[in-house]
Amino acid sequence: GESVGLHLPTLSVQEGDNSIINCAYSNSASDYFIWYKQESGKGPQFIIDIRSNMDKRQGQRVTVLLNKTVKHLSLQIAATQPGDSAVYFCAERAGANNLFFGTGTRLTVIP
Amino acid sequence: NAGVTQTPKFQVLKTGQSMTLQCAQDMNHNSMYWYRQDPGMGLRLIYYSASEGTTDKGEVPNGYNVSRLNKREFSLRLESAAPSQTSVYFCATGQNGELFFGEGSRLTVL
Repeated sequence: GESVGLHLPTLSVQEGDNSIINCAYSNSASDYFIWYKQESGKGPQFIIDIRSNMDKRQGQRVTVLLNKTVKHLSLQIAATQPGDSAVYFCAERAGANNLFFGTGTRLTVIP
Repeated sequence: NAGVTQTPKFQVLKTGQSMTLQCAQDMNHNSMYWYRQDPGMGLRLIYYSASEGTTDKGEVPNGYNVSRLNKREFSLRLESAAPSQTSVYFCATGQNGELFFGEGSRLTVL
């Protein structure tokens, strides 16, 4: 079956520092990966995605890196702000209509 | 433009009771999904509907039924609620992989 996991369940960073959230996946057939942000009491919100034919993609203050050799995905947040405090999920798609989600990492930004 | 709207936001049931969670989207997407979220387990897919008139099982369909009433609406029904179904339920819609989620429905089964 699928296995999408996160190396660290919690991460605390100082405001202004960069954050790196890691994710491991096990299905080499997965062709699409997404990072979601979930704030307390809300539904997950799309942050950034990457297809398996890419190894890096940048958005506004966020970068996703994909290493297919070791089946590893990371989310980098530049100049972390208090509003970035949330739970972050990676998800992989191995079929047309299903995303498999990791268990999440809680990011806490210390002012 | 509300996106994805779920009702109710909170519900407490007794074991054996039935209820339906409602979901509506105004994003004109074909695909709709129901997930449950439990502590330490991420989101798990219950059922999905790739288009109006079709539904398919996800990872954890047992104890649930769904109805894709029309393109906008996708409901999730618990016929006989069990304590193991205590969870937060999320409806989502999307295309090309990106999903848009509702705010969630917190269900407690006593």
